[in-house]
Amino acid sequence: QKEVEQDPGPLSVPEGAIVSLNCTYSNSAFQYFMWYRQYSRKGPELLMYTYSSGNKEDGRFTAQVDKSSKYISLFIRDSQPSDSATYLCAMSGMAGGGNKLTFGTGTQLKVEL
Amino acid sequence: DVKVTQSSRYLVKRTGEKVFLECVQDMDHENMFWYRQDPGLGLRLIYFSYDVKMKEKGDIPEGYSVSREKKERFSLILESASTNQTSMYLCATHRPGQASPGELFFGEGSRLTVL
Repeated sequence: QKEVEQDPGPLSVPEGAIVSLNCTYSNSAFQYFMWYRQYSRKGPELLMYTYSSGNKEDGRFTAQVDKSSKYISLFIRDSQPSDSATYLCAMSGMAGGGNKLTFGTGTQLKVEL
Repeated sequence: DVKVTQSSRYLVKRTGEKVFLECVQDMDHENMFWYRQDPGLGLRLIYFSYDVKMKEKGDIPEGYSVSREKKERFSLILESASTNQTSMYLCATHRPGQASPGELFFGEGSRLTVL
């Protein structure tokens, strides 16, 4: 079983829809949770970062962490075609760089006009 | 803005060839990483470096080596390319102590095909 599980999609939604992307994990030591966005033929870029449980909001994006269920979510409100990308969750048991990150496999999202 | 440049975006090589993938960053970040990205497997860490001339193995170092002679440059070397090394290779950097501890800055990737 992988440490981090993420549905690969593809997920196709109409413009304006609310999108919910999710990851589950098995390692209870994970404390830092991130969402990266990767456009086609580009490298990933950090979208949201949260520490421990709770919610964090940034514009149309909300990241949610439920450590008791080992479940994290990214919500996108009023989705736009420009949100079409692959979304990768990543997590770590300690603050630090890329050697300590465990990534999900990514969910491909397409927002259609 | 941090810029991480991978000079070769697309490469086609033959089995047994030696392959060099170059990564250059312009933000003086101490940490540099090489990942490969494959469908269904996500990002897997190959090697990383905390400083010039220092390197550490990641999760899948077999068949790869790295070189970091200057702070801004981190090279990935495939001594004898094999077909199972066909993949997208991503270079990333990280600055210790930054506000977002888990933030990596990625290059655009090098897509390698080994025939």
